[in-house]
Amino acid sequence: TQLLEQSPQFLSIQEGENLTVYCNSSSVFSSLQWYRQEPGEGPVLLVTVVTGGEVKKLKRLTFQFGDARKDSSLHITAAQPGDTGLYLCAGEPPRNFGNEKLTFGTGTRLTIIP
Amino acid sequence: KAGVTQTPRYLIKTRGQQVTLSCSPISGHRSVSWYQQTPGQGLQFLFEYFSETQRNKGNFPGRFSGRQFSNSRSEMNVSTLELGDSALYLCASSQGTGRGEAFFGQGTRLTVV
Repeated sequence: TQLLEQSPQFLSIQEGENLTVYCNSSSVFSSLQWYRQEPGEGPVLLVTVVTGGEVKKLKRLTFQFGDARKDSSLHITAAQPGDTGLYLCAGEPPRNFGNEKLTFGTGTRLTIIP
Repeated sequence: KAGVTQTPRYLIKTRGQQVTLSCSPISGHRSVSWYQQTPGQGLQFLFEYFSETQRNKGNFPGRFSGRQFSNSRSEMNVSTLELGDSALYLCASSQGTGRGEAFFGQGTRLTVV
């Protein structure tokens, strides 16, 4: 069974600060996705990282896939109130893993205080 | 391209009743997965359907069931509702089973009273 642990579980910071959230596993994934979910809505895909060591930027958000493809991080620079939400990572299993389904992380609930 | 559509958005049921939720995936997507989301448990996988066949199943009791039609639309059914079934039920569509990016609907908020 593949598990994804996210940390921290909750994070509340002031507008303008920087932050990093983590997504860790002992399992290898063929890709890692990051989603943001706002209250009462479904998660929305932000980015997919595929190659070990890959870094992708989405405006003030920087996503990195670990070299061994077991972990990922999301760094937000100069956080804005609009960044508030639940951040979920999801891992895609390697080919021929057997139980092929996305594994979702435990989530990080981020609150940006104006 | 239309997104994933879930109906209804909100539902209130009493204990013991049953409920059916519907999900229309993105056109061309053949995989539909269902999740239960609660504040305490996070996003819990219910099951996945691909080409009308259940491909994966999570650890939920038999009261939770689903099906997929030939047009890829999916329904999930919960029988003999319990208070603990109150949750946001999300469906996600993707092109392949267990692979690729998942596109979520807005969810159905079920409240059991």
